Amino acid sequence: VQLVESGGGLVQPGGSLRLSCAASGFTFSNYWMTWVRQAPGKGLEWVANIKEDGSEKYYVDSVKGRFTISRDNAQNSLYLQMNSLRAEDTAVYYCARDRGSAFWGPGTLVTVSS
Amino acid sequence: DIQMTQSPSAMSASVGDRVTITCRASQGISFSLAWLQQKPGQVPKRLIYSASTLQSGVPSRFSGSGSGTEFTLTISSLQPEDFATYYCLQFYSYPLTFGGGTKVEIK
Repeated sequence: VQLVESGGGLVQPGGSLRLSCAASGFTFSNYWMTWVRQAPGKGLEWVANIKEDGSEKYYVDSVKGRFTISRDNAQNSLYLQMNSLRAEDTAVYYCARDRGSAFWGPGTLVTVSS
Repeated sequence: DIQMTQSPSAMSASVGDRVTITCRASQGISFSLAWLQQKPGQVPKRLIYSASTLQSGVPSRFSGSGSGTEFTLTISSLQPEDFATYYCLQFYSYPLTFGGGTKVEIK
């Protein structure tokens, strides 16, 4: 199982970023996928989940209406579109396989700062 | 939302000690709990899922127990590589929630 995130970087408050997660080593379309974040020096926070076929999506309240999780099963890829970014969204963002977070990528750092 | 309360938040222990970490859920979550380990600068790694099932490749000194609202992670004989922060995660209902973490340090 391999998960590799990309797309992080420095963005100004109010800006947007799109994170990607490339999956390999398992049948991507058979699993729920998860985004989890970790602010510097802080604990883990679940961000969003998406069902195998993309028909169900769930978000933590603090990102509802601003973030959108999606997937492309043909490309074995998971995405997180992040709009209206705030300083408090600064974190390492991890993608993980299934709701119980069985396997994790190395993460991508998102920094929201002017 | 289901709150997950871990205790202790930090502890000091010696190599060979038996270590127990507790996670309490604010409402029943059946067996829908995982335990993860995170070493400094590293990615979290799942140790236990469904409250008591050991993830493949994880040493047998790790064990999990509990159901409903109270869960424990036990390390039967602490090894040098076990010094880390441990998190519980409930995946029973949305929003999924992590415990605050337990940092296990060397005494």
